[in-house]
Amino acid sequence: SQTIHQWPATLVQPVGSPLSLECTVEGTSNPNLYWYRQAAGRGLQLLFYSVGIGQISSEVPQNLSASRPQDRQFILSSKKLLLSDSGFYLCAWRTRMNTEAFFGQGTRLTVV
Amino acid sequence: AQSVTQLDSQVPVFEEAPVELRCNYSSSVSVYLFWYVQYPNQGLQLLLKYLSGSTLVKGINGFEAEFNKSQTSFHLRKPSVHISDTAEYFCAVSENTGNQFYFGTGTSLTVIP
Repeated sequence: SQTIHQWPATLVQPVGSPLSLECTVEGTSNPNLYWYRQAAGRGLQLLFYSVGIGQISSEVPQNLSASRPQDRQFILSSKKLLLSDSGFYLCAWRTRMNTEAFFGQGTRLTVV
Repeated sequence: AQSVTQLDSQVPVFEEAPVELRCNYSSSVSVYLFWYVQYPNQGLQLLLKYLSGSTLVKGINGFEAEFNKSQTSFHLRKPSVHISDTAEYFCAVSENTGNQFYFGTGTSLTVIP
């Protein structure tokens, strides 16, 4: 069966520090991969999605970037965190048949 | 472009009463529609989905939703809620030819004993 791993579960980082959140999927090949951010009262905002290795689509201009170095690995990064980057970050995958998305357990990021 | 609107940010309801959570979408092409539930500090769990066929879709935990193409709606219903249904509920849409997967702003359902 397919599983998705996302870590760390919680993270406290100072303003100006770098960020790297990792997501890996097991049990499937060539998934579409997604990064979302959830801020209080704002629902889930699609940040990036990827349909293949090295292919990244950005939905919202921001202080973040994403990379997909391997088929089942998706990384969310920042060179210098801002206070506004705080939130709950969720990784998700779907098959190429455009069905439902499956989510990781999320990372709670607090920038201080 | 797609968009999803959840009209109610918070819905309080008494235990064993019925509930409806509203969702409307906009899209110029055919879509797939989904409802997810999120418990505190957790990821999202799929409740149900509409891909094609019957417009009335049944999901887990006694939830159901009806796709109404003319009203571009996909409202979620449950005839009798339990305390354990207290959670955040998200409607999502995906165009059947695209890769994006968009969510509404969520509805916080609180079941009152």
